[in-house]
Amino acid sequence: SQQGEEDPQALSIQEGENATMNCSYKTSINNLQWYRQNSGRGLVHLILIRSNEREKHSGRLRVTLDTSKKSSSLLITASRAADTASYFCATDTGGTSYGKLTFGQGTILTVHP
Amino acid sequence: NAGVTQTPKFQVLKTGQSMTLQCAQDMNHEYMSWYRQDPGMGLRLIHYSVGAGITDQGEVPNGYNVSRSTTEDFPLRLLSAAPSQTSVYFCASSYLGDLGGYTFGSGTRLTVV
Repeated sequence: SQQGEEDPQALSIQEGENATMNCSYKTSINNLQWYRQNSGRGLVHLILIRSNEREKHSGRLRVTLDTSKKSSSLLITASRAADTASYFCATDTGGTSYGKLTFGQGTILTVHP
Repeated sequence: NAGVTQTPKFQVLKTGQSMTLQCAQDMNHEYMSWYRQDPGMGLRLIHYSVGAGITDQGEVPNGYNVSRSTTEDFPLRLLSAAPSQTSVYFCASSYLGDLGGYTFGSGTRLTVV
């Protein structure tokens, strides 16, 4: 079973709106990462948040982490058509699994011009 | 700086054939891994390596073999291709201990008929 589960599975918005994607996981983590995948391409690393961090920003991206609820959210502000892609959360559980990432099934984001 | 290079980009195999998917990185990353991506399944870890001469199994290792003779290269071998191995394969690498996330290759789309 997947460690990370994204919600919603698909999200459709207009350009300029904010997009929020959620990720839930099952076991304790060392860090949680978000990736973007454009159609037919490899994944691109967006942002990493450590287990002792609660919020992190990078440009138009804002990630929150709630370890008590085992959940994270990715907010993209002022979305652009170029943000259309699939977004994946991935968890690093550390310990003997150090460096191994477990990916969720992804959220497909469509931003309409 | 090429990053992570995967070859070939596309491949069609007949059931029972064997082949090697190539992955090379020029970033001196210790950690390398292979994932397969199937619709609705997200990315699943096949094999990974934390350094030259060290490999280990991931979530779905059956039917695949790996070796890591150098830091740069991490080939994935399909021993006897089956239709269930039709998928998109991604190689990824990172520094151990560097929380900068994975660098992914552009993928190999494999079809087994």
